[in-house]
Amino acid sequence: SYEVSQPPSVSVAPGQTARITCGGNNIGSKSVHWYQQKPGQAPVLVVYDDRDRPSGIPERFSGSNSGNTAALTITRVEAGDEADYYCQVWDNSGDHLYVFGLGTKVTVL
Amino acid sequence: EVKLLESGGGLVQPGGSLRLSCAASGFTFGSHAMTWVRQVPGKGLEWISGIIRGSGGSTFYIDSVKGRFTISRDNSKNTLYLQMNSLRVEDTAVYYCAKDAYDSGPFDSWGPGTLVTVSS
Repeated sequence: SYEVSQPPSVSVAPGQTARITCGGNNIGSKSVHWYQQKPGQAPVLVVYDDRDRPSGIPERFSGSNSGNTAALTITRVEAGDEADYYCQVWDNSGDHLYVFGLGTKVTVL
Repeated sequence: EVKLLESGGGLVQPGGSLRLSCAASGFTFGSHAMTWVRQVPGKGLEWISGIIRGSGGSTFYIDSVKGRFTISRDNSKNTLYLQMNSLRVEDTAVYYCAKDAYDSGPFDSWGPGTLVTVSS
């Protein structure tokens, strides 16, 4: 079955840029979605289909996907961006049709 | 506004059963695939089951719940269900229902989740 990998943690100072990667074999051929989850809350979709943003998501959140790496970039990071971020792809090669990464904890210093 | 609200979680002994419900509003429920995702406290997200839109004639499960869990939907009640039998300690998690935007993701709306604790 398909697997994706994320760094466990990323630390960033306020106002700086955070980049969270999601690695997978030829992930550039798949559509990647990103979710933000704050403690005690349900996940929220922040980027879908590699680079599109749902309504209400700030332009500071952007995505990219090429080769074996997809990425979520958060510019001008704010304290409120501190959360866990998960990438997700759809893959029908195994029993997990929807594959999530293990998540990346973004800490705002 | 899309709303999803799970219910039915609680404490159950190993081998027991629970039925989760997810009440949906704010969208044409029958026109969307729906899914269940669980999260062990302190751990990541795991997709466990999905059902296609319409009559829900096709359902999907991860291997570890296949034969024990059954997903279903009642479009007349705008409700998604997850019948969980033969529960195991490792099924302990927060269970979320989510709306599938395009049949292969993304999950564009989530409920707040319901906690299932399997313990003796």
